[in-house]
Amino acid sequence: DIQMTQSPSSLSASVGDRVTITCQASQDISNYLNWYQQKPGKAPKLLIYDASNLETGVPSRFSGSGSGTDFTFTISSLQPEDIATYYCQQYDNLYTFGQGTKLEIK
Amino acid sequence: EVQLVETGGGLIQPGGSLRLSCAASGFTVSSNYMSWVRQAPGKGLEWVSVIYSGGSTYYADSVKGRFTISRDNSKNTLYLQMNSLRAEDTAVYYCAREDPSVYGAFDIWGQGTMVTVSS
Repeated sequence: DIQMTQSPSSLSASVGDRVTITCQASQDISNYLNWYQQKPGKAPKLLIYDASNLETGVPSRFSGSGSGTDFTFTISSLQPEDIATYYCQQYDNLYTFGQGTKLEIK
Repeated sequence: EVQLVETGGGLIQPGGSLRLSCAASGFTVSSNYMSWVRQAPGKGLEWVSVIYSGGSTYYADSVKGRFTISRDNSKNTLYLQMNSLRAEDTAVYYCAREDPSVYGAFDIWGQGTMVTVSS
């Protein structure tokens, strides 16, 4: 099984800050990685697919990078509506989610 | 409109069975890869099961042998039969579609249905 380790597990930042979340796979998964945003009481929403591709309709302040085992998710300028929990997900071998990063406003 | 609507959750005793349904509209379930993903209260997302368009099915180790994923093409509906339920199966269960143009990414999700396993 492929394990996904996200860090940090929680993060507090100010509006306008650049925010970075990392995700590490337990083995090489090429670029088979997606990022999701989940707001309380809601279903997850796909933001980034194949490590670096922005889903249609998602603001350009969101971006992703990486390949192999190490991946990064970035919000270039944090907005109040970005408060949520973010998850990475691999699909190289079935599917595994990271444990999530809860983002809060400072 | 493309959407998924789950039903069938509820309170069930340990050892009991429950069947969840996921009705799709705006696309054909049988032509897509469809998964169940769950989220225990206050916890993260856990992938549970997938059925591919060709009919192959796969399960997380935590539910293998107890859960069965299936679909009814005539009703355009996905199912999850859950047997021998345990307290640790308590979660919101989401059905999700893999984007047919982006392998591996869940682009459409239902609203979720809560399953509580408790005596």
